Amino acid sequence: GENVEQHPSTLSVQEGDSAVIKCTYSDSASNYFPWYKQELGKRPQLIIDIRSNVGEKKDQRIAVTLNKTAKHFSLHITETQPEDSAVYFCAATPGNTGTASKLTFGTGTRLQVTL
Amino acid sequence: GAVVSQHPSRVICKSGTSVKIECRSLDFQATTMFWYRQFPKQSLMLMATSNEGSKATYEQGVEKDKFLINHASLTLSTLTVTSAHPEDSSFYICSATTLGNSPLHFGNGTRLTVT
Repeated sequence: GENVEQHPSTLSVQEGDSAVIKCTYSDSASNYFPWYKQELGKRPQLIIDIRSNVGEKKDQRIAVTLNKTAKHFSLHITETQPEDSAVYFCAATPGNTGTASKLTFGTGTRLQVTL
Repeated sequence: GAVVSQHPSRVICKSGTSVKIECRSLDFQATTMFWYRQFPKQSLMLMATSNEGSKATYEQGVEKDKFLINHASLTLSTLTVTSAHPEDSSFYICSATTLGNSPLHFGNGTRLTVT
């Protein structure tokens, strides 16, 4: 099955700096890669996603890049703010079988944005 | 749009009793719902995949007789933790989606504490 690794497990940056979180996946058939932000005790919220037919996607301060050859994708947050502090999870599908996606999640990155 | 409601948000029960958790898609028809379990500071672990009108598919290591899943309609899935024990204490989260690589929408989660 799919295996998703995520690094780093914790990340501390100063407000205004950039943060980068990296994930690798094992199944070359995976074709959908969402990123979720989870605040303590709350639901994961989709912040950005990318499909395998594109290499980069940007939404304001958040961007995601995908390297299919190397099987890795990254989340980039620029101009970080204290409210960006949360746990971020990457995920990947095991492949499109025509049914709904069964996501495999990374282990999470705890991002702390300090003043 | 794409709201998933999960109830209850918190539940405390005594060891040996059963607890039912509901997951509802409020404004879309969820052909598939997923149930996850999350221990503190850990990632989301998929327990089972639930398709409307059919038996749930359980992940390896998840006891189907202990975690009963019912998906009787396109808007409701339930997870019943039977004969709960303290080790079942965890954060349970449902998610719902439609066919294909559609984004997952998560419920608010249920924090179960078994005393």
